[in-house]
Amino acid sequence: NAGVTQTPKFQVLKTGQSMTLQCAQDMNHEYMSWYRQDPGMGLRLIHYSVGAGITDQGEVPNGYNVSRSTTEDFPLRLLSAAPSQTSVYFCASSKRGVLPYNEQFFGPGTRLTVL
Amino acid sequence: AQSVTQLDSQVPVFEEAPVELRCNYSSSVSVYLFWYVQYPNQGLQLLLKYLSGSTLVKGINGFEAEFNKSQTSFHLRKPSVHISDTAEYFCAVSVPSGGYNKLIFGAGTRLAVHP
Repeated sequence: NAGVTQTPKFQVLKTGQSMTLQCAQDMNHEYMSWYRQDPGMGLRLIHYSVGAGITDQGEVPNGYNVSRSTTEDFPLRLLSAAPSQTSVYFCASSKRGVLPYNEQFFGPGTRLTVL
Repeated sequence: AQSVTQLDSQVPVFEEAPVELRCNYSSSVSVYLFWYVQYPNQGLQLLLKYLSGSTLVKGINGFEAEFNKSQTSFHLRKPSVHISDTAEYFCAVSVPSGGYNKLIFGAGTRLAVHP
């Protein structure tokens, strides 16, 4: 099992450029989510998905789009990058179950710089 | 609204000394609480969790945490730290949202273990 994989590891963009951060998981998890990590702010939820075709907004969704066409993949799109989107982005997945909480497994992150 | 406050942004400590990383939360509903660890240039890994039952929770790598409902705290402790414990530690609370548990993170505490 590769777990949760993210590509690329590093990316530098110019203001106004677009790009897609890729996330894939091979654990057959129903739930997937995207977080951004900024110094002194911890991780904040951008978007999440509870299954293929179903997505919803988190705390900081502005400037980001997501879609979920398969169980395995959950790409995050920046349509017009801004310097405020300079951050480290983490993808996570978890299994739906009867427990009150199922552990979220995190990918290694993508470090994005917008100039 | 739920929130998490980590009272120390940095904690320096000598090897083999005890350490406590403090976390306070606010929540109007039943809480599920977590500590995650992030080693340099890696994703987050679950250290331990409190869902219900015993208020003293043991996790990996010799860490433990105590849930204190009256003080709304969930402090993380280790009786003797190693150099390899140098990492950033995040406290988080889980917020149910239509079957998906959103994680609300604190700002993080950077633990630096010195020889």
